[in-house]
Amino acid sequence: NAGVTQTPKFRILKIGQSMTLQCTQDMNHNYMYWYRQDPGMGLKLIYYSVGAGITDKGEVPNGYNVSRSTTEDFPLRLELAAPSQTSVYFCASSYLWGAGQYFGPGTRLTVL
Amino acid sequence: AQTVTQSQPEMSVQEAETVTLSCTYDTSESNYYLFWYKQPPSRQMILVIRQEAYKQQNATENRFSVNFQKAAKSFSLKISDSQLGDTAMYFCAFSSRGGSEKLVFGKGTKLTVNP
Repeated sequence: NAGVTQTPKFRILKIGQSMTLQCTQDMNHNYMYWYRQDPGMGLKLIYYSVGAGITDKGEVPNGYNVSRSTTEDFPLRLELAAPSQTSVYFCASSYLWGAGQYFGPGTRLTVL
Repeated sequence: AQTVTQSQPEMSVQEAETVTLSCTYDTSESNYYLFWYKQPPSRQMILVIRQEAYKQQNATENRFSVNFQKAAKSFSLKISDSQLGDTAMYFCAFSSRGGSEKLVFGKGTKLTVNP
């Protein structure tokens, strides 16, 4: 199993550009999550999904959108990138409450 | 809303010694899970240990153990026989029952193990 994979690993965007961060898991987990980690901070939840076709907002959803058409994929869309979105983005998945989440390697995004 | 507080931004320990990282949390719920995650310089988030609030026995995973004090809302991590590979950021996280297992993280403690 590859676990949770994320692409790209690094990206630089200009202000106003858009992009999609890809996340795929091959563990057949129902629950998937997107977090952002700012310097010196813990992770904050952007969006999450409890299954295909079901998504909901987390703590910091503004400026982002998600979709979940399959169990495996959970892409995160950034529209009109802003410098405040410079961060490291982590995708995670889990199969059961309390089992803990499996994280991808992260995407470092810089908006200039 | 639940909050997680890690009051030690940085700690250091000598190789082979024991170190304890602190975590407190605030919640009105009775059923929840607590976790410790490790983030080495590679930035990969790795689950170290977890504790269910209903279990009185403290969780243990090899050299890692927790001291869970439910009444005090405290959840500390003890690392025994520290190794150089334990150098990392350590995050305490909380998950309440609600069907989605959303995690609330503390700001982390940077642990350095010195040779």
